[in-house]
Amino acid sequence: AQRVTQPEKLLSVFKGAPVELKCNYSYSGSPELFWYVQYSRQRLQLLLRHISRESIKGFTADLNKGETSFHLKKPFAQEEDSAMYYCALSGRQAGTALIFGKGTTLSVSS
Amino acid sequence: GAGVSQSPSNKVTEKGKDVELRCDPISGHTALYWYRQSLGQGLEFLIYFQGNSAPDKSGLPSDRFSAERTGGSVSTLTIQRTQQEDSAVYLCASSLAPSGRTGELFFGEGSRLTVL
Repeated sequence: AQRVTQPEKLLSVFKGAPVELKCNYSYSGSPELFWYVQYSRQRLQLLLRHISRESIKGFTADLNKGETSFHLKKPFAQEEDSAMYYCALSGRQAGTALIFGKGTTLSVSS
Repeated sequence: GAGVSQSPSNKVTEKGKDVELRCDPISGHTALYWYRQSLGQGLEFLIYFQGNSAPDKSGLPSDRFSAERTGGSVSTLTIQRTQQEDSAVYLCASSLAPSGRTGELFFGEGSRLTVL
């Protein structure tokens, strides 16, 4: 069965500090991993996906198959990064539902 | 349309009543998802429609929950005999879902259900 674990409900950091939002997954096959973000009073939206190996808004995430992790990182947090972050997993074959973790609230204060 | 549209945005009902929540996906999107968002539970998967394939209902919490997708477009999530624990925000999302890949999900604003 596929499962996504985000161990932290809340992460509070100061502006300019590094951020790491943890995500671990369980999946028997080859997964696709994603990070979604929900800013206050906005819709949930895609932040980045591992297959693109991209940096969005200064955030990066590397898939570590050995540790079954997909942690989200940013070297210098900004106040506008405050939001709820969800890690999500899907199997690579078509027809596989996207499963989300329980989410981590990131709070960045000045 | 501009995006995924959900109605009603807010619904207050009495315990034991049935409710219907509607989702109008982005035109042309073949995949449609329903999720439930509640405090402490995060984003729970409920049901997934992909084209003409049989839906993945594995996330439905009980037989009081059901969903339909008519004509590959609009979807309705029905909750029968509502209970207080059904109170949550119900989110719908749609995706272009290219073959062999999970496409980007586009979410609606959600339907907030309160069961008194």
